[in-house]
Amino acid sequence: GAVVSQHPSWVICKSGTSVKIECRSLDFQATTMFWYRQFPKQSLMLMATSNEGSKATYEQGVEKDKFLINHASLTLSTLTVTSAHPEDSSFYICSRKGGLGEQFFGPGTRLTVL
Amino acid sequence: EDQVTQSPEALRLQEGESSSLNCSYTVSGLRGLFWYRQDPGKGPEFLFTLYSAGEEKEKERLKATLTKKESFLHITAPKPEDSATYLCAVQAWDSGYSTLTFGKGTMLLVSP
Repeated sequence: GAVVSQHPSWVICKSGTSVKIECRSLDFQATTMFWYRQFPKQSLMLMATSNEGSKATYEQGVEKDKFLINHASLTLSTLTVTSAHPEDSSFYICSRKGGLGEQFFGPGTRLTVL
Repeated sequence: EDQVTQSPEALRLQEGESSSLNCSYTVSGLRGLFWYRQDPGKGPEFLFTLYSAGEEKEKERLKATLTKKESFLHITAPKPEDSATYLCAVQAWDSGYSTLTFGKGTMLLVSP
């Protein structure tokens, strides 16, 4: 069964509003979780690494003030897209680490900004 | 910089027609190479991890192999339900947070 869940599975919002996406580790306490973004027919691009109890680590080119990450518990990480614009429309996927280097991914959240 | 290149971009097979997908990589010290399956509108589903050249892993009709420069995902007698995008990713020893670098994937379509 699924080991990572995401909510919502899809969201449509108006330009300028903020959207929060939740990612839950269902079977394991995850001190580290990852957030990816995937554009159509493109690779998964790592946006940031979410660390429980400390600040997230953002990849080069990702605006930390725009993509707010909070990892307040060992099972929950949230990504908030602030002041969303149409270019932020994408498929956002989170993951948690497995025991052997692999990652287990959530089902993804489709964000559409009008 | 770690790089992953997958080929072909798309592959169309008839049911039962075996083939292979390629994943070429450059990485500063390979910790692991991972294969995933991704269905449209879904997150990637973990398939295999390979750690060293010469290693092979199998699952049903899929077999993954690894050399020092590339990995192959062999699909034997595929069925329509094998249709998906197959992603390859590498992890380097010096990736402090065990991050993965993904290729763009190969979109496989198996026709009945």
